[in-house]
Amino acid sequence: DSGVTQTPKHLITATGQRVTLRCSPRSGDLSVYWYQQSLDQGLQFLIQYYNGEERAKGNILERFSAQQFPDLHSELNLSSLELGDSALYFCASSPIGTSSYEQYFGPGTRLTVT
Amino acid sequence: ELKVEQNPLFLSMQEGKNYTIYCNYSTTSDRLYWYRQDPGKSLESLFVLLSNGAVKQEGRLMASLDTKARLSTLHITAAVHDLSATYFCAVDRLTSYDKVIFGPGTSLSVIP
Repeated sequence: DSGVTQTPKHLITATGQRVTLRCSPRSGDLSVYWYQQSLDQGLQFLIQYYNGEERAKGNILERFSAQQFPDLHSELNLSSLELGDSALYFCASSPIGTSSYEQYFGPGTRLTVT
Repeated sequence: ELKVEQNPLFLSMQEGKNYTIYCNYSTTSDRLYWYRQDPGKSLESLFVLLSNGAVKQEGRLMASLDTKARLSTLHITAAVHDLSATYFCAVDRLTSYDKVIFGPGTSLSVIP
């Protein structure tokens, strides 16, 4: 158990809908990262937050957005969902702003868009 | 654009044998990571390599980094079945934004 929690574990929704994925980092970790894993694209970095501020942006679609709250939990919002958004979404946390240190991954949220 | 390649992509090996997984990246990188993923599970951090010549070992796994060659290796010694998993390398750079780019993964199957 990495200490990172994600909810929900599974999510099934229809095209065009909007969902919110939640991540709670390890106690004391200020940085949260979001990743998408799919068969087509492999593992992709989406976005990073550090202590409430956006720190880095990867291959995140405009239909997706994220934020980190004062209690350091983070949410990833996916809207206008398409079939291709079906994937495993991981969040990870690390103690400091840069990724010099290892990241601790949560169990993931499996999103199925039908 | 930073690209990361791994080879082989699939590896089937017998228990007790040694093998090496290679990770090549296309541009200067500041940090290199190795992760393990079991089927249907999350990622587990194995090693973080920060400088040229860095070598880290944990059990039967040893990782090294050659920044001049833009190459990292993950060496498996005397493989056991429990090492069966997919191994990913990932790199990032100290740009104004940190970005982490993953390789495609190497699926390792250790056969008794």
